[in-house]
Amino acid sequence: GEDVEQSLFLSVREGDSSVINCTYTDSSSTYLYWYKQEPGAGLQLLTYIFSNMDMKQDQRLTVLLNKKDKHLSLRIADTQTGDSAIYFCAEMDSSYKLIFGSGTRLLVRP
Amino acid sequence: DVKVTQSSRYLVKRTGEKVFLECVQDMDHENMFWYRQDPGLGLRLIYFSYDVKMKEKGDIPEGYSVSREKKERFSLILESASTNQTSMYLCASISLLAGGVRDTQYFGPGTRLTVL
Repeated sequence: GEDVEQSLFLSVREGDSSVINCTYTDSSSTYLYWYKQEPGAGLQLLTYIFSNMDMKQDQRLTVLLNKKDKHLSLRIADTQTGDSAIYFCAEMDSSYKLIFGSGTRLLVRP
Repeated sequence: DVKVTQSSRYLVKRTGEKVFLECVQDMDHENMFWYRQDPGLGLRLIYFSYDVKMKEKGDIPEGYSVSREKKERFSLILESASTNQTSMYLCASISLLAGGVRDTQYFGPGTRLTVL
């Protein structure tokens, strides 16, 4: 079945760039997503990428997609303390179900 | 600006109790989902619904049931709560017609359920 994997934890200094990586298995996914979950809150759609794209930039966020290796990454430039959260990678299957990774907890140190 | 609401943010129940978790969306979405979130496991799909009175099992439906009597409301039911159902429960909705594009994936704030 489909599987999405992420590392569990990342710690960076404020002002540095953060890169969160994700691998997925379903090559038929049309869209791949990044969600952010702040403490005590639900999930917020952060950005997405269409499967025929290699890169998408949205202000401080850059999403890179390597379809050959089924690898997705999220780069946050100039990381701020407000970026501390859990970041989930997700792919959507043909039934519109989202398959989530386990989440990467980003800690931004002052 | 709230689009998906869940009936409770925190809930404490006793083993064996029947528990209802309610989710309401105001976007006229066809598809609604219930997930549970546990540390290190990410989000796991419990049940989903394509339309009123329709339901499909997700990856971990055991111990749960659902009800979708109205399009805007999707209820998750724990018939007899057990301690291993202590978790964060998240409801989500999307619009089928949008084909899964951006801004159609909305999550509620979550209900943290503790079963004693």
